Amino acid sequence: GENVGLHLPTLSVQEGDNSIINCAYSNSASDYFIWYKQESGKGPQFIIDIRSNMDKRQGQRVTVLLNKTVKHLSLQIAATQPGDSAVYFCAENSKTGNQFYFGTGTSLTVIP
Amino acid sequence: DAGITQSPRHKVTETGTPVTLRCHQTENHRYMYWYRQDPGHGLRLIHYSYGVKDTDKGEVSDGYSVSRSKTEDFLLTLESATSSQTSVYFCAISPGAGNQPQHFGDGTRLSIL
Repeated sequence: GENVGLHLPTLSVQEGDNSIINCAYSNSASDYFIWYKQESGKGPQFIIDIRSNMDKRQGQRVTVLLNKTVKHLSLQIAATQPGDSAVYFCAENSKTGNQFYFGTGTSLTVIP
Repeated sequence: DAGITQSPRHKVTETGTPVTLRCHQTENHRYMYWYRQDPGHGLRLIHYSYGVKDTDKGEVSDGYSVSRSKTEDFLLTLESATSSQTSVYFCAISPGAGNQPQHFGDGTRLSIL
């Protein structure tokens, strides 16, 4: 299967600081990536996506960066809030393009 | 929310019994997916559907079957549940295949004793 993983399993940040969550992928043919947020007891929630023809995409307080050279994806959250505490994971589409492979996730804790 | 309802939300059953989980969507999306989520693993695809009566296997399909008789409903069946199938099961929907985001339901926590 594909290898989609994260550098750090846990991350703690102070409220108001910026957070950076990283993701490595192994399939150089993947051309579409998604970041999800999952709160306890709930399903994954779509945050932002990026296609391989871009290296940066911004949303509301979030930015995704894609470095295809080193097969690395990151999610930046600006002015982190307590409501941002959750598990974040990335997904890449498979070689066939019909499925996604998901990382195991990073648990983000925001300290008030 | 993306208009996805999973039922039941929680279930406890015994080894060897059949179990059916239901996913219902109100978005009229073509693609529907069943995943399981276990500690130490990312979401793993069990089966998916690309239309009514059109289904295909994912990476962990052994011991599971699916059916889709209507656009809005996708059923996952464990014919004879085993303890290794204890997990949280998520349904997802998408208007397209691997080039559009999937949206998830809130999951079914299944315990097999």
